Amino acid sequence: ETGVTQTPRHLVMGMTNKKSLKCEQHLGHNAMYWYKQSAKKPLELMFVYSLEERVENNSVPSRFSPECPNSSHLFLHLHTLQPEDSALYLCASSQMTGLDTGELFFGEGSRLTVL
Amino acid sequence: KNEVEQSPQNLTAQEGEFITINCSYSVGISALHWLQQHPGGGIVSLFMLSSGKKKHGRLIATINIQEKHSSLHITASHPRDSAVYICAVGSYMEYGNKLVFGAGTILRVKS
Repeated sequence: ETGVTQTPRHLVMGMTNKKSLKCEQHLGHNAMYWYKQSAKKPLELMFVYSLEERVENNSVPSRFSPECPNSSHLFLHLHTLQPEDSALYLCASSQMTGLDTGELFFGEGSRLTVL
Repeated sequence: KNEVEQSPQNLTAQEGEFITINCSYSVGISALHWLQQHPGGGIVSLFMLSSGKKKHGRLIATINIQEKHSSLHITASHPRDSAVYICAVGSYMEYGNKLVFGAGTILRVKS
């Protein structure tokens, strides 16, 4: 099993669709993250879950809804997205301590295109 | 001004050359990360360091906390090193820590 697995790898959706991105980590980490990567822009942190509790919601529009049912799984529910939401969405996990995030392990990403 | 600045933005090298990528930051940090992203998107963590120097194979990362500067060196570069190299710094938040990312350096190594 690879460390962090994301599905689907590619997703095309219309603006009225509802879809979900899934992330699973097999590393026993206590923190999981959703990042957005748009063309020619740095990685943007969207959400952080530590011990299944959301600890960061980085001013993300409500059309993105995260869910963390347990420490190994993380979802990003998508509804009524806009074309500018087209991007690469990356999931990561780490063993967070009180001092730092710990080393991040990333999934391969989900390439989202909104028509 | 971005909190994390990388230079150069683009770099083309000939196979075998010694490569240096620089990262400067303006925030207080707990640790600095170097990441590698290949075409297709997947990101791999190369180093996490808070002082001194670390080496892994042909890769060396150094950090100078006083100068708020880090460098990533690649010795005997190879076309398979072609990727985007991203510097990220861990900054303190009330819940713990979060990463602030640089824009990345696009490296192309020609054979």
